[in-house]
Amino acid sequence: SQQGEEDPQALSIQEGENATMNCSYKTSINNLQWYRQNSGRGLVHLILIRSNEREKHSGRLRVTLDTSKKSSSLLITASRAADTASYFCAPVTGNQFYFGTGTSLTVIP
Amino acid sequence: SAVISQKPSRDICQRGTSLTIQCQVDSQVTMMFWYRQQPGQSLTLIATANQGSEATYESGFVIDKFPISRPNLTFSTLTVSNMSPEDSSIYLCSGVTGGWNEQYFGPGTRLTVT
Repeated sequence: SQQGEEDPQALSIQEGENATMNCSYKTSINNLQWYRQNSGRGLVHLILIRSNEREKHSGRLRVTLDTSKKSSSLLITASRAADTASYFCAPVTGNQFYFGTGTSLTVIP
Repeated sequence: SAVISQKPSRDICQRGTSLTIQCQVDSQVTMMFWYRQQPGQSLTLIATANQGSEATYESGFVIDKFPISRPNLTFSTLTVSNMSPEDSSIYLCSGVTGGWNEQYFGPGTRLTVT
């Protein structure tokens, strides 16, 4: 299966700390996308990194992609209580999106 | 980007009835999808909504149970037919746009079947 696998499944940190989530996948991709989901709500598109990119930044988010290891990471710097949510990666091949089971992040004020 | 709205946001339905969920995108998208998500779980793709033709269903999902329409590039409906409590879930529609296929989601419809 091409399904992304996030690690860890759950993460709890203090406000102000950095949070790192990892995603692994199995075959070649065109790009990889990260999403955030607040409890019971829809997914919010955070960032897309192309297969020929190694790193991308957006505000407090930093995403890396290592296609040789078939892995990606999402770093949230200076976390806030509002960052509490589930984070999903989706490796994309053609028109196929393969969502993982997500990392549940809790930021403690 | 694309902004996607869904109606209704939530509903409580009786067993054996049907519910139609509407999805509206504020701009043309190349593809639209429908997903189901159980609490605490990942997304399960139900089908790809094809404009002007029958939807493409994933394994385990059939048209009789989940009829889908997409009459134009910005609107789609999903009907959950003959509902049972096992259909209780969050249903999400999404649209894909851009050269690199960025996918954007609606806020979801929380369905409870009693």
